[in-house]
Amino acid sequence: DQQVKQNSPSLSVQEGRISILNCDYTNSMFDYFLWYKKYPAEGPTFLISISSIKDKNEDGRFTVFLNKSAKHLSLHIVPSQPGDSAVYFCAARVQGAQKLVFGQGTRLTINP
Amino acid sequence: NAGVTQTPKFQVLKTGQSMTLQCAQDMNHEYMSWYRQDPGMGLRLIHYSVGAGITDQGEVPNGYNVSRSTTEDFPLRLLSAAPSQTSVYFCASSRGLVTRTDTQYFGPGTRLTVL
Repeated sequence: DQQVKQNSPSLSVQEGRISILNCDYTNSMFDYFLWYKKYPAEGPTFLISISSIKDKNEDGRFTVFLNKSAKHLSLHIVPSQPGDSAVYFCAARVQGAQKLVFGQGTRLTINP
Repeated sequence: NAGVTQTPKFQVLKTGQSMTLQCAQDMNHEYMSWYRQDPGMGLRLIHYSVGAGITDQGEVPNGYNVSRSTTEDFPLRLLSAAPSQTSVYFCASSRGLVTRTDTQYFGPGTRLTVL
């Protein structure tokens, strides 16, 4: 049972445009959501996060939106740059627990 | 700081063999965990530890053992390797509960193939 789903395995965006990566979840007990970025042959690195009591968090070119009623999370990257080409994972934390549940990942390709 | 280190980077095993994947961190983090990454499955938690001497199971613990005798080290043991354990394994650490200020740091991964 996949509690965190990223339904788009891949996404291709032109440099300078907006990239939107989506994530859906089923568990209402998730209290924290995170996005990680992963380059080939490297471990994931933390990108941005949002608490379940917020609906938006912004950090430079990266903005995460949370729609609790729809159980939907999205990551916006504006403007997209070639270095943003990577696999992006969304993850969620069960309230009070030490565990993260990850989505399947979306491979983002930024075209020049 | 070296961060989170993992050895080996690559390993090929035969079915039934045992081995230990090593993980070490030099950030004095209490919380360490092991994940496996498989195509189409994302990262799945195998085992985790909230401090020396304390471990617990994650989503997919079967076939793996862990121990945490020191804060720095968190080895993952495969007792009798099976082809289904072919995967990329990531170790991660954090100061505590994952939050905005206590994010997890991941190692570079170990790519394991079981024949």
